[in-house]
Amino acid sequence: DTEVTQTPKHLVMGMTNKKSLKCEQHMGHRAMYWYKQKAKKPPELMFVYSYEKLSINESVPSRFSPECPNSSLLNLHLHALQPEDSALYLCASSPVTGASNQPQHFGDGTRLSIL
Amino acid sequence: AQSVAQPEDQVNVAEGNPLTVKCTYSVSGNPYLFWYVQYPNRGLQFLLKYITGDNLVKGSYGFEAEFNKSQTSFHLKKPSALVSDSALYFCAVKNQAGTALIFGKGTTLSVSS
Repeated sequence: DTEVTQTPKHLVMGMTNKKSLKCEQHMGHRAMYWYKQKAKKPPELMFVYSYEKLSINESVPSRFSPECPNSSLLNLHLHALQPEDSALYLCASSPVTGASNQPQHFGDGTRLSIL
Repeated sequence: AQSVAQPEDQVNVAEGNPLTVKCTYSVSGNPYLFWYVQYPNRGLQFLLKYITGDNLVKGSYGFEAEFNKSQTSFHLKKPSALVSDSALYFCAVKNQAGTALIFGKGTTLSVSS
């Protein structure tokens, strides 16, 4: 069982829909991350939150909008997505950001399909 | 800039044989290195991390990693492979700011019975 919980597990949406992905952790971690992963490829960093503030946006298109309502929750709001946005979206958390050997802990992801 | 390389797309071993999944790194400063495993339709599971001064690091599920500073390698090993070890394995390093993980391309391990 993973300690980072992501919902929903699967999501199918049209290009005009608005939906949200949710991520929750109760490990007391203060850093949370969104990654995008295509099949058989490594995860690609999208956003980093540190102490509920957005610290990194890896030039992600504005159709992806992250939100960190509190230290345990991370959302990713989706709007007007493109077919190439179909992927596995992974959430991760770590105690803090910074140069250390603290690992990131990943959820099982949301598999997103854009019709 | 920090980077890791996994030279093999796929590694095939027979059950009961030892396995090695290779990773080489290029870093400035301390090497914060990690191994993760991904089973089908799952997220990444943390296996082990490099601990400064330890040339052999033990992790989950009987895996260990051998750190070699002169060869800049951090190879994942297991003395006796199981069919259930078949999965996608990623080596990763922290970027210099420590804000993100940089992953290798991944190596698919296939263990045959």
